Amino acid sequence: DADVTQTPRNRITKTGKRIMLECSQTKGHDRMYWYRQDPGLGLRLIYYSFDVKDINKGEISDGYSVSRQAQAKFSLSLESAIPNQTALYFCATSDFAGEVNTGELFFGEGSRLTVL
Amino acid sequence: DAKTTQPTSMDCAEGRAANLPCNHSTISGNEYVYWYRQIHSQGPQYIIHGLKNNETNEMASLIITEDRKSSTLILPHATLRDTAVYYCIVRAPYSGGGADGLTFGKGTHLIIQP
Repeated sequence: DADVTQTPRNRITKTGKRIMLECSQTKGHDRMYWYRQDPGLGLRLIYYSFDVKDINKGEISDGYSVSRQAQAKFSLSLESAIPNQTALYFCATSDFAGEVNTGELFFGEGSRLTVL
Repeated sequence: DAKTTQPTSMDCAEGRAANLPCNHSTISGNEYVYWYRQIHSQGPQYIIHGLKNNETNEMASLIITEDRKSSTLILPHATLRDTAVYYCIVRAPYSGGGADGLTFGKGTHLIIQP
């Protein structure tokens, strides 16, 4: 089983619908991230969380919200989806190794979202 | 985080060494160089990282110039499965306060030719 699991893997929805993408991890990491990738582009950070009580906005948080239900679960919501949110979404985790985070991220397999 | 510059694409023959360059002329003294790769829309995969010394692991070698303004990722014996987008990222280790997460640019699309 994958260490970082995303559901659903593929979703087609209509403009204005509420969508939730879920991420769960078995790595025991405190830090979790949501990234978005558009065709031909790199990954952009949407939100990140250091622990259950600590949520932070990333580069492109407008139109998104997140919930950290437990150490192992981090959900991304689109309250009212729009077509330009069509993208590939990745969840990732990392370990906080003492005072220094070495920066290694562990990614899920991605959730492909299409908004019509 | 320092900006990186990578070629858009590269070809390499199967079985040969693939050498992927990265320029990071504005790197700061405490910033590490990280390499990740992404195989066709899968989640990115960590390859290697280093500060100033050359590093080697089971996947690749990382050569960092003495002035740290550039680096090269070396895949010693490239296979078809190494065809992917390779991202070079420069970032200081996070140790409290400020933004977290790595910034991924467009990377280099490495194509291994049979």
